[in-house]
Amino acid sequence: AQKITQTQPGMFVQEKEAVTLDCTYDTSDQSYGLFWYKQPSSGEMIFLIYQGSYDEQNATEGRYSLNFQKARKSANLVISASQLGDSAMYFCAMREPYGGATNKLIFGTGTLLAVQP
Amino acid sequence: DGGITQSPKYLFRKEGQNVTLSCEQNLNHDAMYWYRQDPGQGLRLIYYSQIVNDFQKGDIAEGYSVSREKKESFPLTVTSAQKNPTAFYLCASSWGEGGQPQHFGDGTRLSIL
Repeated sequence: AQKITQTQPGMFVQEKEAVTLDCTYDTSDQSYGLFWYKQPSSGEMIFLIYQGSYDEQNATEGRYSLNFQKARKSANLVISASQLGDSAMYFCAMREPYGGATNKLIFGTGTLLAVQP
Repeated sequence: DGGITQSPKYLFRKEGQNVTLSCEQNLNHDAMYWYRQDPGQGLRLIYYSQIVNDFQKGDIAEGYSVSREKKESFPLTVTSAQKNPTAFYLCASSWGEGGQPQHFGDGTRLSIL
C-alpha cells in the first residue's frame, strides 16, 4: 500500500535561512507523482511544487525546490531564504500511478514550520 | 477569477441532523474530491468524482453521501450516521491526467452542538 511519512511534527527556522522538510514515501509502482502543499492557519491548501517519478531534474518553483532521491524514496522540500509568511503547515502527498484510474492523493501528517524573526 | 468556492465557512449540526456542504468550481475541471482533516492530521479522502453522474468512495466514506449532477458542483452531505462529524472539510478539483495538482477551496469547519 502507498504511504507518505513526514517525521518532523514541527520545525523552527530563522528568517532568511534555508530549511528542509522531510518526506519519505512507500510505493511499489514505478510511475507516481509527488506534491507539496502549504496550509496557513486560515486553512486553505496551497499547491507549491510537483515532481514526477520519471522527471530527471529536481523540480523548482521560485524559493521552493524538491530534493528528489528516488532510490531512497525521499522527496524533501527545500525552502530558501525563509520569510515570516512561510510559517504554516506543510504536507507532502503522493498520487496514484500516473495514468491510473484515479487522481487520488495520499497525504502525510504534515510538518508545522515556524519562521522566527 | 477561477477557483473553488466552499460554503458555509462554519457550520453547526445538531445531533441526528443531516447537513450539506457546498462545493462549486469554475475551473472546468473534470475531477472533484472531498477530504476530511482532523486536528494535527493529514487529509483523508471521503469521496471523489471523475465525471458527472459518477462518484466513488474514498477511504472514509461511511456516514457521508455525495452527488455530481453538474460538472461544477459536488455537494457533500454529512448524515446522522456519521458519529464523529466534527472536522475541517476540504473540497478540491483537478484535471484528470498527468501531474496536474488538485486545487482546494477554503474549507468548511463543521461542529456539533
